[in-house]
Amino acid sequence: DQQVKQNSPSLSVQEGRISILNCDYTNSMFDYFLWYKKYPAEGPTFLISISSIKDKNEDGRFTVFLNKSAKHLSLHIVPSQPGDSAVYFCAASDGSNYQLIWGAGTKLIIKP
Amino acid sequence: DSGVTQTPKHLITATGQRVTLRCSPRSGDLSVYWYQQSLDQGLQFLIQYYNGEERAKGNILERFSAQQFPDLHSELNLSSLELGDSALYFCASSAEVGRDLGPDYGYTFGSGTRLTVV
Repeated sequence: DQQVKQNSPSLSVQEGRISILNCDYTNSMFDYFLWYKKYPAEGPTFLISISSIKDKNEDGRFTVFLNKSAKHLSLHIVPSQPGDSAVYFCAASDGSNYQLIWGAGTKLIIKP
Repeated sequence: DSGVTQTPKHLITATGQRVTLRCSPRSGDLSVYWYQQSLDQGLQFLIQYYNGEERAKGNILERFSAQQFPDLHSELNLSSLELGDSALYFCASSAEVGRDLGPDYGYTFGSGTRLTVV
């Protein structure tokens, strides 16, 4: 039972344009969401997060939007840069045991 | 350098063998988490230890076991290895079980051990 789903295995975007990565979840008890970025041969690194009491969080070129009614969150990267090419993981927690439940990841490719 | 050290970085072994993966958490972190990432798969949570005790278990096979030692380093033991066990194994650490450590939930990952079973 996949509680966190990233339905797009890969996404290709032109440099300078907007990248939008999507994540859906099924557990309405999730109240904290994170995005991690992973380069090959490296561990995932934290990118941005959002609490369920908010619907938007912004950090530089990265913005995460949360739609609780749709159980959907998205990560916007504007403008996309070549260094953004990586695998992006969405993760969620319900706070009961502070475990993070992970999506399968989306591979973002930024084309020059 | 994230502060979480995993050794070895690469491991090649034959089916039926047993291996041990090691993780040293970031200084001050009490929790250690083990994850498996198979080819083109997401991160599968295996097990969590907190200050030496098992705290949570995920999709960990019975052939796999882990422990956390008094110095807080952790080892993941994989036995009777099969071809399907080939994967990247990540360790993460956090200071406490909880979200009060800032926006990143306090999670820090190591760079992983790539296990290849032949």
